[in-house]
Amino acid sequence: QSVLTQPPSASGTPGQRVTISCSGSSSNIGSNTVNWYQQLPGTAPKLLIYSNNQRPSGVPDRFSGSKSGTSASLAISGLQSEDEADYYCAAWDDSLDGHVVFGGGTKLTVL
Amino acid sequence: QVQLVQSGAEVKKPGASVKVSCKASGYTFTDYHMHWVRQAPGQGLEWMGWINPHSGGTNYAQKFQGRVTMTRDTSISTAYMELSRLRSDDTAVYHCARFYNFWSAFDYWGQGTLVTVPS
Repeated sequence: QSVLTQPPSASGTPGQRVTISCSGSSSNIGSNTVNWYQQLPGTAPKLLIYSNNQRPSGVPDRFSGSKSGTSASLAISGLQSEDEADYYCAAWDDSLDGHVVFGGGTKLTVL
Repeated sequence: QVQLVQSGAEVKKPGASVKVSCKASGYTFTDYHMHWVRQAPGQGLEWMGWINPHSGGTNYAQKFQGRVTMTRDTSISTAYMELSRLRSDDTAVYHCARFYNFWSAFDYWGQGTLVTVPS
């Protein structure tokens, strides 16, 4: 059971906008920034969003992040087939002596 | 360019230990903490802990305390993760990941090392 809660799956058609939620608590999302990682099949995770809503260089602006209270969201607009991947949220957790916690992951299917 | 290159796949018997290496290049090894994250087949990401390559200080997830040891060799810019008393549920891909403090995020990942512990 993951500390951060994500829906196990999400789907959309090309061009659509999809959102993935990540729910935590006051000790993790409520007091720390949230990062999102994209994992394409058979590859290592890749940083997609850091500090709640910042994109590393090279990440398309179709990807956006937000945070409110103890929840965060990843939005993907103009969905493309290559966006089909697993998405994970992550944050530090102050109640666990400075440990990192991940969400269980959301498998995004592009129909 | 930053690269983290990990050692090859391993098959270990239950009760044995495994040591995975992660060789860093393209940046100053001692300037960034190195974390380890594992992923069991078909499962999500699980954080294991970190090592400060500068001081050698470590911080391990409670679940792995007593079984995991993270070390480094600064002369060859390599971090190591050793897991002992292996069980079948330790079968997973183990990744090293560089922690970029300014972003508070893992900005580079190793390709992963599959460790298989047959039941």
